[in-house]
Amino acid sequence: EADIYQTPRYLVIGTGKKITLECSQTMGHDKMYWYQQDPGMELHLIHYSYGVNSTEKGDLSSESTVSRIRTEHFPLTLESARPSHTSQYLCASRGQGNTEAFFGQGTRLTVV
Amino acid sequence: GNSVTQMEGPVTLSEEAFLTINCTYTATGYPSLFWYVQYPGEGLQLLLKATKADDKGSNKGFEATYRKETTSFHLEKGSVQVSDSAVYFCALSAYNDYKLSFGAGTTVTVRA
Repeated sequence: EADIYQTPRYLVIGTGKKITLECSQTMGHDKMYWYQQDPGMELHLIHYSYGVNSTEKGDLSSESTVSRIRTEHFPLTLESARPSHTSQYLCASRGQGNTEAFFGQGTRLTVV
Repeated sequence: GNSVTQMEGPVTLSEEAFLTINCTYTATGYPSLFWYVQYPGEGLQLLLKATKADDKGSNKGFEATYRKETTSFHLEKGSVQVSDSAVYFCALSAYNDYKLSFGAGTTVTVRA
């Protein structure tokens, strides 16, 4: 069982609101990732971190921001949500070397 | 750079049919290879993995063999069930990259 958790699972919010999607892992992994995924479609990496106080933008440009002030916690923030941000957001973490990534259950965000 | 190409879907099968999903990769060095499965509304779960050439990963009746000579990691299952309906992702991890590289995903639907 993977010990990586995302909250909330589902979120419906109005345009212009600020939101934070939470992601926590208890495995002590240095590397953490945020992906954006539309239903049944490919993953797009939007942010990653390879340790505390490190954050990098991914392959897909995103208006969201992330922070990593603790190893176990990697929250994603949208300052002003828009309908175009409607999507599923997946968090993942990975240990040292060529190991697999572990995924949270995802947050389904709907902006109305 | 590192990349993964997998068979496009969707794939629709009858129960007890044979399933193959093709996956080929481009990478420097000796990557680790993975297959992930995503059920509706969920995050990705690791299905199987292989870390070196000629390794065979297996789980829940699924198998994939790491073929360095053909740079492939095809997923197979001899007799699918309705419960195997999901999206399947091929992925690789290389020492020279903090990120995992994912294929675009293949949607599989098994009909009773």
